[in-house]
Amino acid sequence: DAGVIQSPRHEVTEMGQEVTLRCKPISGHDYLFWYRQTMMRGLELLIYFNNNVPIDDSGMPEDRFSAKMPNASFSTLKIQPSEPRDSAVYFCASSWGLREQYFGPGTRLTVT
Amino acid sequence: KQEVTQIPAALSVPEGENLVLNCSFTDSAIYNLQWFRQDPGKGLTSLLLIQSSQREQTSGRLNASLDKSSGRSTLYIAASQPGDSATYLCAVGNDMRFGAGTRLTVKP
Repeated sequence: DAGVIQSPRHEVTEMGQEVTLRCKPISGHDYLFWYRQTMMRGLELLIYFNNNVPIDDSGMPEDRFSAKMPNASFSTLKIQPSEPRDSAVYFCASSWGLREQYFGPGTRLTVT
Repeated sequence: KQEVTQIPAALSVPEGENLVLNCSFTDSAIYNLQWFRQDPGKGLTSLLLIQSSQREQTSGRLNASLDKSSGRSTLYIAASQPGDSATYLCAVGNDMRFGAGTRLTVKP
């Protein structure tokens, strides 16, 4: 398996624009997680899904953030409208059950 | 709310030394604990996962222990190598609360 795939790897956008981050989990994994990493706050869990259903979205910072998982092989994290404070590295991870999580390479988002 | 602390924040050791990284957490009712390493500019790589019913896990030169009653986990690295240089993070529970990490440098 190619591992968890994230796209794009880098995204630079202007404040107010919509940003969509994409993730393809490892085939057969039933859990998918979205994280954000910043120098100030470290690594934070934003939301996770089990069998495509959101289980806990308490980490989503505000209504500008939304995540979907339309099928077992694809998830999106959307920020609309984006703000400079959203600049961070966003990671997607997947696991089979609540076991070892496998992380993607991340998307580095810069909002100017 | 679970809080996770990792000590030390940074550690520099000569090659060949054995070392221990610490992770402490405030809520002992955890499902599992996972140790990761992160290389600069990269994602996280899972090292060891300890289920709540387990006391330790071993993989090669790595050994992780878990003491839920005291809210502690340690990651032991034997015979450290320069390739072990990275940031090591622990994550606790279903909601994956991460510590801030320990930045390890192993000098040749």
